Parts: sequence; structure tokens; C-alpha cells
Amino acid sequence: DAGVIQSPRHEVTEMGQEVTLRCKPISGHNSLFWYRQTMMRGLELLIYFNNNVPIDDSGMPEDRFSAKMPNASFSTLKIQPSEPRDSAVYFCASSFETGSGELFFGEGSRLTVL
Amino acid sequence: ILNVEQSPQSLHVQEGDSTNFTCSFPSSNFYALHWYRWETAKSPEALFVMTLNGDEKKKGRISATLNTKEGYSYLYIKGSQPEDSATYLCASGYSTLTFGKGTMLLVSP
Repeated sequence: DAGVIQSPRHEVTEMGQEVTLRCKPISGHNSLFWYRQTMMRGLELLIYFNNNVPIDDSGMPEDRFSAKMPNASFSTLKIQPSEPRDSAVYFCASSFETGSGELFFGEGSRLTVL
Repeated sequence: ILNVEQSPQSLHVQEGDSTNFTCSFPSSNFYALHWYRWETAKSPEALFVMTLNGDEKKKGRISATLNTKEGYSYLYIKGSQPEDSATYLCASGYSTLTFGKGTMLLVSP
């Protein structure tokens, strides 16, 4: 299995630009999570999908952030417009079952907004 | 949002030393406690998922215990090796996990 695949691995953009991060979960996993990693706050949950449906988006910082999961094998996290404080590593993770199911993380997308 | 705390924040030990870290979490409405190992430039990988009070799990030189009544878990590494150097994360929750900020372990040869 290829594991959770994220792209791009690195993105450098200027303030105000739109950023789209992509994730392909492990086949057969029905839960998908977007996390953001910063030095100050650690790993923070942004949004959680179950069977392609957004269940909990309370961690999405503001309206500039949006996420979609059009099918079981693809999800996007979009930031529009981007700001320097959005600079972080964004991780996508999937699991077979909620609760006791372990998370399988992608390698992350490192975003730098200048 | 759960409050998951880890200590110490960082730890530097010599090869061969045994070490342990602590994770504390709310004991009410407990469902599961996860431990992850996160090496630099890689993604976090699950070590253990624990659900029962008194549970003890082991993988090689690494083991973990769980006390759900008092809300803590310990991770032990016996005879640390340089390849154990990583950040160790714990997380708790049900459908979504809240992560602690991790314990960064450095093992010197």
C-alpha cells in the first residue's frame, strides 16, 4: 500500500494567493483528518471527514480555510487568501475506524506564506 | 476540546539509559489513548492504541501503561539507542484525537 499521499510537499507563496493542498487517503479507510503543525500549538485538528462527509470542522481557523472530500480517495484543503500566519506543516491522516483506529499520516505539506 | 499534556518537553539521554515520559488526559468520558513516534522529516507513526484501564503494551524495547481512572499513561524505553531519537506524541479522544505537544527525545551515542 502506498500510504497516505499528500501534495505538494513544499509550497512557498505570497500573501493573498490561493493555496490548495491535496490528500489521497489509504484505500478502504473511511475517516480522513486534516491537522496543522506549528511550534506554538503542536498538532491541531482542522477538520474531520467520515465517509466523505465533514463531521467536525470546528478547528478550521476562519472562513479563509475550506476543505472538501468529493470522493473516498481525494480531499483538498484550500486557503484563500493566504496570510503569513498560515505558514505551517499541514498533515492529512486517514483511519479505518474512528475511536480506537490508529491514524496513518501523510508526509505533510510544508507551507510558507511570504 | 480535550487537554492532553505531556512531560517532559524534551529529554537528552545517553545510549543504554532507560527513560520514560508521561501523558496526562481527562479521565472523564475516556475512550482511547494513542502513542505515536515522530522522526524528523518523517510523518508520525502509531506505536500503541490503548483503551482499557491497566492496559500494558510492548513493542520491542518500548512499552506503555494506561491508567484511565487517574488520567495518565507512561511510555518507557529500555536501553535507549540513537535510533530512538524522535518526538513521542500521545493523543486522546473518540472520533477525533487531541494531541499533546510531544516529548522530544535525543539519545547520544
